[in-house]
Amino acid sequence: EDQVTQSPEALRLQEGESSSLNCSYTVSGLRGLFWYRQDPGKGPEFLFTLYSAGEEKEKERLKATLTKKESFLHITAPKPEDSATYLCAVPQFYFGTGTSLTVIP
Amino acid sequence: DTGVSQDPRHKITKRGQNVTFRCDPISEHNRLYWYRQTLGQGPEFLTYFQNEAQLEKSRLLSDRFSAERPKGSFSTLEIQRTEQGDSAMYLCASSFGQGAGNEQFFGPGTRLTVL
Repeated sequence: EDQVTQSPEALRLQEGESSSLNCSYTVSGLRGLFWYRQDPGKGPEFLFTLYSAGEEKEKERLKATLTKKESFLHITAPKPEDSATYLCAVPQFYFGTGTSLTVIP
Repeated sequence: DTGVSQDPRHKITKRGQNVTFRCDPISEHNRLYWYRQTLGQGPEFLTYFQNEAQLEKSRLLSDRFSAERPKGSFSTLEIQRTEQGDSAMYLCASSFGQGAGNEQFFGPGTRLTVL
């Protein structure tokens, strides 16, 4: 069965302190890897789709990368408004448990 | 607003009662998904539709759960004889296309509390 594992479960950063979140996946054939952001009490918000190893996508302070076994979400100089849970998923229905990010002013 | 909408946003019910949730997907999206999410967990797949056809159901979807998408537009999820373990956020998502690798767009969710 396809599965996704995210680490760390929780991450606290000082404002401006860059870091990376990890998503390891096991799939029979990769048809895409998705990153979502979820704020408390809300539905996940789509961020990125990556389809092939070596692919990178950026949005503001976030950059997602993909290898054959894992994906990273790099956060550069984070701000408090980046605090949220970040979820990765593989098609069609397999989500990780997420990384809860807290950025301290 | 052209995003996915869900109704109600919150539902409190007593154990044993039936509840029904509604999801309106993005209008041109042909696929619609239902998930359940509990605190500290990622969304867990329940079922999905392509147009009006229900194509897959998770083993989490016991016989107390039923979902419909009668005209390939909105969908309903009904839970009969609710139990306290059904308390969770119920999320609906939609996507466009035939392949599996299309991003899903989520609604705000329905928070169910079973007393």
